[in-house]
Amino acid sequence: DVKVTQSSRYLVKRTGEKVFLECVQDMDHENMFWYRQDPGLGLRLIYFSYDVKMKEKGDIPEGYSVSREKKERFSLILESASTNQTSMYLCASRMTGGFSGANVLTFGAGSRLTVL
Amino acid sequence: AQKITQTQPGMFVQEKEAVTLDCTYDTSDPSYGLFWYKQPSSGEMIFLIYQGSYDQQNATEGRYSLNFQKARKSANLVISASQLGDSAMYFCAMREALGGGGYNKLIFGAGTRLAVHP
Repeated sequence: DVKVTQSSRYLVKRTGEKVFLECVQDMDHENMFWYRQDPGLGLRLIYFSYDVKMKEKGDIPEGYSVSREKKERFSLILESASTNQTSMYLCASRMTGGFSGANVLTFGAGSRLTVL
Repeated sequence: AQKITQTQPGMFVQEKEAVTLDCTYDTSDPSYGLFWYKQPSSGEMIFLIYQGSYDQQNATEGRYSLNFQKARKSANLVISASQLGDSAMYFCAMREALGGGGYNKLIFGAGTRLAVHP
């Protein structure tokens, strides 16, 4: 089974801190994604990466950056955390190619971030 | 712009009964894909079922089936014989093209929280 591991399940940070959320997948997937989940809004795409060293902005990239130095690892960075970034963050990966029943997003368990 | 709408914030069902979770979508693309995911309290999103826009038959996976009505742009999830373990958030999602590079992403609805009562 594909496994997507997010290193921290729960984090509490202070406003202005730099925050790193790490995600590792073990199935050699090219594509990796970071979503943010908020009640009533579903999941919204922050950033994604087609392959190593590549990154593209999603729907809500403001206040975030990402890093993909190795194929298996995709990091989400909050340069200066703010209270409106308190949320659940979900990492996902999949093979390259079109979405289908055979090529779906596989998610990690999520990282719940609270910014005080 | 493409859009996914789940109008039921919460649903209740008695154990062993069937339940339908609604999903409507809006797209101008002739080719699209629809997905349902389950999110238990543990937080991990679990893929349940997929329907392609050109698929002739409604998708089924065990106790899950997708009631796909293309003209109405709806893709409702039907769970038969509900179990206590079905209590979770359920998200409908649709494939959306990303620019001209041939890549795409999933866009999600707001979700429906299902509670199964004994």
